[in-house]
Amino acid sequence: AQSVTQLGSHVSVSEGALVLLRCNYSSSVPPYLFWYVQYPNQGLQLLLKYTTGATLVKGINGFEAEFKKSETSFHLTKPSAHMSDAAEYFCAVSDTSNTGKLIFGQGTTLQVKP
Amino acid sequence: DAGVTQSPTHLIKTRGQQVTLRCSPKSGHDTVSWYQQALGQGPQFIFQYYEEEERQRGNFPDRFSGHQFPNYSSELNVNALLLGDSALYLCASSLGVSLSYEQYFGPGTRLTVT
Repeated sequence: AQSVTQLGSHVSVSEGALVLLRCNYSSSVPPYLFWYVQYPNQGLQLLLKYTTGATLVKGINGFEAEFKKSETSFHLTKPSAHMSDAAEYFCAVSDTSNTGKLIFGQGTTLQVKP
Repeated sequence: DAGVTQSPTHLIKTRGQQVTLRCSPKSGHDTVSWYQQALGQGPQFIFQYYEEEERQRGNFPDRFSGHQFPNYSSELNVNALLLGDSALYLCASSLGVSLSYEQYFGPGTRLTVT
């Protein structure tokens, strides 16, 4: 069965510092991987996704993630945090593209300190 | 473009009652998926509707049912409400069932069962 583990329910960084949000997945087949962001009282917004091809994926708002099969990881990074990045971040996995079913992690709250 | 809209925004029900939540997909989208997000958790897939049929279902009891209308809007019905059904219910729409198409999420309906 597929699963997603996000290490660290809360991450705090200073404005301008590197953002690193960790995600490890379990899948018996090559996965499709996603990162979503959720701002208070809003729905989820797709940051980036990996399906096939290049393992370094660039997304919106300066975020990127690297698919590492050997480590079963898909960590999210951003070189320099902005105050506006404070939100809840979710990693998700699917084992096929022919489905709408995403398996989400429990989420990581990112706090950005001035 | 109004994006994905959901109604109502908040809802309070009593155990044993029934509830109906509504979702209007983003313009041009024909597929609707529903997720349940308990407090402090990631969203869990309930089911997906395409061409007015339930295409895929997550691990939810039959108390959870849905419907899709010819205009692609959708309803989620929950019967015999339990305290554990208290959650944020998210609707996501897309151009088709494949994850090649981005899922756009609505802001959710907050259901409280007392």
